[in-house]
Amino acid sequence: QVQLQESGPGLVKPSETLSLICDVSGVSLRSDDYFWSWVRQPPGEGLEWIGYVFYSGGTYYNPSLKSRASISLDPSKNRFTLMLTSVTAADTAVYYCARGIPETISLTGYFDPWGPGTLVTVSS
Amino acid sequence: DVQMTQSPTTLSASVGDRVTLTCRASQSIYGWLAWYQQRPGKAPKLLIYQASTLESGVPSRFIGSGSGTEFTLTISSLQPDDFATYYCQQYNDYSPYTFGQGTRLEMK
Repeated sequence: QVQLQESGPGLVKPSETLSLICDVSGVSLRSDDYFWSWVRQPPGEGLEWIGYVFYSGGTYYNPSLKSRASISLDPSKNRFTLMLTSVTAADTAVYYCARGIPETISLTGYFDPWGPGTLVTVSS
Repeated sequence: DVQMTQSPTTLSASVGDRVTLTCRASQSIYGWLAWYQQRPGKAPKLLIYQASTLESGVPSRFIGSGSGTEFTLTISSLQPDDFATYYCQQYNDYSPYTFGQGTRLEMK
């Protein structure tokens, strides 16, 4: 059974860097059978995809984040991380990590399963 | 970006009702659409992918259909556990992946 679990600081100051870890169990990150993503949800709002990483190193980020996001894999610990720089109050959200399942010829896919999420508040 | 628009925003219904939720894409996404259920305080849960394929373990009362730009999720007979928010997500284009704004299904 594949499980994901987010961890990291619940409070980050404005202009600082948000850093979160997603620990994965039940599947190895050492293949491109899947991709690994972060999705966030501001309180009371909808879902916003942040970006993805493949084991082979391919990454892509939502242009709305204006190059502030970075996702990396640590296969030795079977985890992946999110870093989001120069945060503001608008980055306050529940952050989810999720496994992406590629289905199309261009390796795009859907998300399953998701971690339970972690609330990050940006405030001084 | 591919814009995803869900309707209605809120739907009031009763246990046993048949309900249909709609998701429209701003351009054709063929059949590359997923549906998720999110209960309050919980992570989204995959229900359907490729527009109509039921994820393993999901009850057969959830029925997805559509292609191109218009998609529907029908719940054939509402159960108490089904009152939640439902999101659609397109995966024809990863630049970026986009979700609908959600339909909240509430008890009448």
